[in-house]
Amino acid sequence: GAVVSQHPSRVICKSGTSVKIECRSLDFQATTMFWYRQFPKQSLMLMATSNEGSKATYEQGVEKDKFLINHASLTLSTLTVTSAHPEDSSFYICSARKQGAGGTEAFFGQGTRLTVV
Amino acid sequence: DAKTTQPPSMDCAEGRAANLPCNHSTISGNEYVYWYRQIHSQGPQYIIHGLKNNETNEMASLIITEDRKSSTLILPHATLRDTAVYYCIVRGMDSSYKLIFGSGTRLLVRP
Repeated sequence: GAVVSQHPSRVICKSGTSVKIECRSLDFQATTMFWYRQFPKQSLMLMATSNEGSKATYEQGVEKDKFLINHASLTLSTLTVTSAHPEDSSFYICSARKQGAGGTEAFFGQGTRLTVV
Repeated sequence: DAKTTQPPSMDCAEGRAANLPCNHSTISGNEYVYWYRQIHSQGPQYIIHGLKNNETNEMASLIITEDRKSSTLILPHATLRDTAVYYCIVRGMDSSYKLIFGSGTRLLVRP
């Protein structure tokens, strides 16, 4: 398989501050990564598609100025939640697309639980 | 991408086969069926995918009906560690390769 690592796994921040979450593909290069958000007892909601070297593509209803995405290298994408508020508390999950001989697969990080107090 | 319909919950006894159904009646010819699962508070884990032929790997088997309008994920000998939410996703092969998650099936494996 392939390994995708997120950091931090848990973070607590004060309302109004910004938080950065990292997503790394450890053993493969990923030109495309995806960011999801998941509220308790709900499914994953796709927030945006992160493309290496270009601007992210956001899903409808996701504020691009609030959720800043940077994909500066083939192994790292970051999601920054700016001016966080309690309603931004959620489980954030990234995935990275790996192309191989068997096709294209998406591998997921372990998730980051954000709590805004 | 086509929409999928799954039962909200199922249960099975440990050691028995777990058969998880998925309806995808609007699937088009170039769309694949993917299965992922999510154990509590973790990221989703890839299980298996297929186009029209049945597939098997070390984790599970995927049975796709001839008309491709439904499929079944089979865990041949379920263990307590297989308790998770299982997602059936239909994905086209466009350039974005996005995975759109539905509500999934919550599988409870009973001791």
